[in-house]
Parts: sequence; structure tokens; C-alpha cells
Amino acid sequence: SQKIEQNSEALNIQEGKTATLTCNYTNYSPAYLQWYRQDPGRGPVFLLLIRENEKEKRKERLKVTFDTTLKQSLFHITASQPADSATYLCALPRGWNYGGSQGNLIFGKGTKLSVKP
Amino acid sequence: DTAVSQTPKYLVTQMGNDKSIKCEQNLGHDTMYWYKQDSKKFLKIMFSYNNKELIINETVPNRFSPKSPDKAHLNLHINSLELGDSAVYFCASSPGLGTGYGYTFGSGTRLTVV
Repeated sequence: SQKIEQNSEALNIQEGKTATLTCNYTNYSPAYLQWYRQDPGRGPVFLLLIRENEKEKRKERLKVTFDTTLKQSLFHITASQPADSATYLCALPRGWNYGGSQGNLIFGKGTKLSVKP
Repeated sequence: DTAVSQTPKYLVTQMGNDKSIKCEQNLGHDTMYWYKQDSKKFLKIMFSYNNKELIINETVPNRFSPKSPDKAHLNLHINSLELGDSAVYFCASSPGLGTGYGYTFGSGTRLTVV
């Protein structure tokens, strides 16, 4: 079956360092991948989308890579700040051959990032 | 100006009751969704609607019935509530199905069944 794995439930880093979060997927070749941020008591907020023909995408201090051979995306936050502390979710569109409607996003379980001052 | 708004924010009710959650989006999006986030924070899709038409019911019990009176509104009605229905329910919208655009989520409705 289609699977998304964010292999760290929690990541603790020091302010100013680069945070790197990993998203792996199996049995699937998505056309794109998305990253979201979720704060406690809030809904997820869309951050970045990267398509299968893009190796890397940047937005301010955020960088996402997409390796379709490894079936992996890396999400980097450079010069991290305590305000970056949140849960980060990776999401993929459901594949047509796994039933349901193609395109509905399925989410990983998230990685909780804590940035210490 | 809230883009996707859900009401109520909190809902505490007894087993067996029927309750509704309302969702409205002012983004002009064609597609709306309901997601359930359980106690382990796993976000799982329940329904998607495109231009008021049900696209998918993701193996959700038929006690859950979505209704979309127009493309800006998607409500969720739950009959005969069970303890296992306790979760946070999120409404979301996107410009269209499978378009690759990011979803805009509401702030969630925390449902507690006692």
C-alpha cells in the first residue's frame, strides 16, 4: 500500500543551526510533494510544493529537495529560530491505483521541531 | 478575514447524540475537504467535494454525512456519536482537485464524546 514516513517524531536543535527533516514514501511515484507547518491548536499551513521534475525549491530560509530515485524529500530550515518550533507535515497526492480520488492529499505523521535559544 | 472558518471550535457531547460542524471558505475555491486528526496527530482524509459534488468518501462510517449547499460551504453531520469519534476535525479547501495547489485549512473543531 501507499506509505509516507517521516522518520523522526521529534527533532531538537539549537537556534541558528539548520534543521533537516525527512519524508520517505513507498510504492508510489507522486507528481508533487507538499510541506505544511502545524502549530498546536491550529490547522496545517501550506509552506512549499515541489514537483517531480524539480530537484530543489527555496522560499526564504526554507529549502526542499525531491529525489524521485530515493523516493525521499528533505526539508531544511536554515538559521533556525525558536519561532520555527512546530510540527512539520509532508503530504502527497493519492495515487490512482490505490483507490479513492486521485489528487486527495495524504499526510505523514509529522516531525515536531523544537528550536532552543 | 478568515479564509476557511469552522464552527464550533469546541464541541462536547454525549454518546448517541447527533451533531453538526459547519465550514465556509471565502477563497473562491472549487474543492473542499474534511480531515480527521486523531489523538496521535495523524491527519486522515474523510471526504472531498468538488463544486458541490461528492468526489470521495474515504471508508468513513455512514454515520458521517457531508452536505455542500454551495461550493463555499461544506458541513459535516454526525449521527449516533461514539467515543471513537473524539478527534479534531479540519475543513480545508483548494482551487481544484489534483491541481497541486496547497490546501488552506480551517482552525479545526475539537470534538469530545463522553
